[in-house]
Amino acid sequence: EAGVTQSPTHLIKTRGQQATLRCSPISGHTSVYWYQQALGLGLQFLLWYDEGEERNRGNFPPRFSGRQFPNYSSELNVNALELEDSALYLCASSLVAGGNTEAFFGQGTRLTVV
Amino acid sequence: TQLLEQSPQFLSIQEGENLTVYCNSSSVFSSLQWYRQEPGEGPVLLVTVVTGGEVKKLKRLTFQFGDARKDSSLHITAAQPGDTGLYLCAGAAGSARQLTFGSGTQLTVLP
Repeated sequence: EAGVTQSPTHLIKTRGQQATLRCSPISGHTSVYWYQQALGLGLQFLLWYDEGEERNRGNFPPRFSGRQFPNYSSELNVNALELEDSALYLCASSLVAGGNTEAFFGQGTRLTVV
Repeated sequence: TQLLEQSPQFLSIQEGENLTVYCNSSSVFSSLQWYRQEPGEGPVLLVTVVTGGEVKKLKRLTFQFGDARKDSSLHITAAQPGDTGLYLCAGAAGSARQLTFGSGTQLTVLP
C-alpha cells in the first residue's frame, strides 16, 4: 500500500512568487494535514482538511491557503513568498474515526525562497 | 503556546548506553504519538499510546503514557548508531484533531 506522497520534493522560488505543493494521502484516509518545519524549529500546524472542507488552520497569515479535492488529495498554496517561508513542508493523512489521531507523513517538500 | 515540552533537546551518547526522553504537558491528551525523523525526510510513526499508565515496547524502545495522560517517556536500551535521529512526541488536546508536536530531541549515538 502506497504511503503519503508529496510533490515536488524540492522547489526553489523567488521572493514574491507563488508556490503550489501537492499531497496524495494514504488510500482510504479522508483527512490531510499540512505542517511547516523551518530550520531549527519544530513542526508548526498549518491547515487541516477533511472531506473537502477546511476544518482548522494554525497561526499563519492568509497567504497560506489550500484545498482538498474529491479524491482527498490536497494542495497547499503560498502566495507572495517571503524568505522566511523557506522550510520543509510536510503533509500527513489520517483516518478520522473515533478518537484516532494517528497521522502518517509524506517525505516533505523542501521550499527554498531566494 | 507550546503545549508539549520535550527534554532533553539534544542528547549525545555512546553505543550501548541507555537513555530516556521526556514529553510533558499541562494538557490532557486522548492519545499521544512518538515519531522519529531523519534529516530531510518526514517523521515516521513509532507508536501510539492511548490509555493512562500504558506501556508499549518496540524491540529496544519502551514507551510509557502517564497515568493522567499528560506526559510520556521514551526509553531506549543499549542504543545503537542506527537510533540516531530526531524524536518527536505529538498529541491532540481537547477537541482538536490536528497533532501538536513537541520541539523534539536530537539523539546522536556514537559508535
